[in-house]
Amino acid sequence: QKEVEQNSGPLSVPEGAIASLNCTYSDRVSQSFFWYRQYSGKSPELIMSIYSNGDKEDGRFTAQLNKASQYVSLLIRDSQPSDSATYLCAVIWSTGNQFYFGTGTSLTVIP
Amino acid sequence: DVKVTQSSRYLVKRTGEKVFLECVQDMDHENMFWYRQDPGLGLRLIYFSYDVKMKEKGDIPEGYSVSREKKERFSLILESASTNQTSMYLCASSGTGYVGIQYFGAGTRLSVL
Repeated sequence: QKEVEQNSGPLSVPEGAIASLNCTYSDRVSQSFFWYRQYSGKSPELIMSIYSNGDKEDGRFTAQLNKASQYVSLLIRDSQPSDSATYLCAVIWSTGNQFYFGTGTSLTVIP
Repeated sequence: DVKVTQSSRYLVKRTGEKVFLECVQDMDHENMFWYRQDPGLGLRLIYFSYDVKMKEKGDIPEGYSVSREKKERFSLILESASTNQTSMYLCASSGTGYVGIQYFGAGTRLSVL
């Protein structure tokens, strides 16, 4: 069983819409959760981290964490063509030395 | 800005060769990581190091070894390259207590023929 699962997509949304990206993780004592963005041909870059249940907002991005249901999501409001990328979910388990990336969801924002 | 530099952007090697991939970071980070990224498989951790001369196996350490003699440098070694090691290799670093906040290098695309 994979540790971190994401729908590979592709996910297409029109410009200005809300893009919703989801990630589920296996039943472990989880610690911290991260969203990375990877443009085609580039390296991943961190966009959000979330450590406790609830929502965390940063500009147009909102991360949502629900530990009871074992999912973390990323909402992108007012999506722009420049948001077109692959979004990677990452999880650290409580031991601190196990770090897993999901396979990523490809997002395309259509002008 | 944190800078993580990988020595080569593209590399072509022959089966059986010993291959060295070098990574240097300039932010005095304790943690350093080597990943490989393949289509459909995402980022998979090969090894990581949380201190000089310390290393931990990741998910797919077979066929690889690492060396960290200095804090800023983390090397990935393919002892005898094989065609199934053709991949994009990414190095990352992070500070103590911030394992998940990783800064990535540009990557090395390795082709083993």
